[in-house]
Amino acid sequence: KNEVEQSPQNLTAQEGEFITINCSYSVGISALHWLQQHPGGGIVSLFMLSSGKKKHGRLIATINIQEKHSSLHITASHPRDSAVYICAVQWEYGGATNKLIFGTGTLLAVQP
Amino acid sequence: DTGVSQDPRHKITKRGQNVTFRCDPISEHNRLYWYRQTLGQGPEFLTYFQNEAQLEKSRLLSDRFSAERPKGSFSTLEIQRTEQGDSAMYLCASSPPLSNEQFFGPGTRLTVL
Repeated sequence: KNEVEQSPQNLTAQEGEFITINCSYSVGISALHWLQQHPGGGIVSLFMLSSGKKKHGRLIATINIQEKHSSLHITASHPRDSAVYICAVQWEYGGATNKLIFGTGTLLAVQP
Repeated sequence: DTGVSQDPRHKITKRGQNVTFRCDPISEHNRLYWYRQTLGQGPEFLTYFQNEAQLEKSRLLSDRFSAERPKGSFSTLEIQRTEQGDSAMYLCASSPPLSNEQFFGPGTRLTVL
């Protein structure tokens, strides 16, 4: 069982739709990251959060520490949002390393 | 461009050959990470440097793998006697002091024939 679970694994949406990607994790964390990866490309950090909610443009990330769950929302989706979205956590007792533990990613395709 | 850079971006090699990858982190980032990502999977942690000290290595890092960060700036990852199972994207990330945020390079895609 993965320590970080994402759902869905694949998501196809029509342009303009509201999209939600979910992430669940199993132990206490110091931070949770949402990352974006385009095909063949590197990884871009979208959000880092440890509580509450953050918003950047059409993207919103929320986290519920008690339920060990986070969601990434995309409002008014656009074909350029098509990418892999990855949830990653840093364990609360991970020591000084702060290494990231990644989910398997959600492949999003937004069709025009 | 002051982001994390990696070289080469792509490497094709034959099984049994040695390969070396380089990562140049953002200047003044004292922490550096190597991750490996196979097709359809999320990245997995390989090793971590704080300045020049290698403080953690994953059990994924077999004795064929070695990483260095000799002057606390750039880092190299060497794979000896490559195997087809080593085919993956190798990602480098750096992090400034006192921050949880990590900045990723574009990755080096390795194909072992």
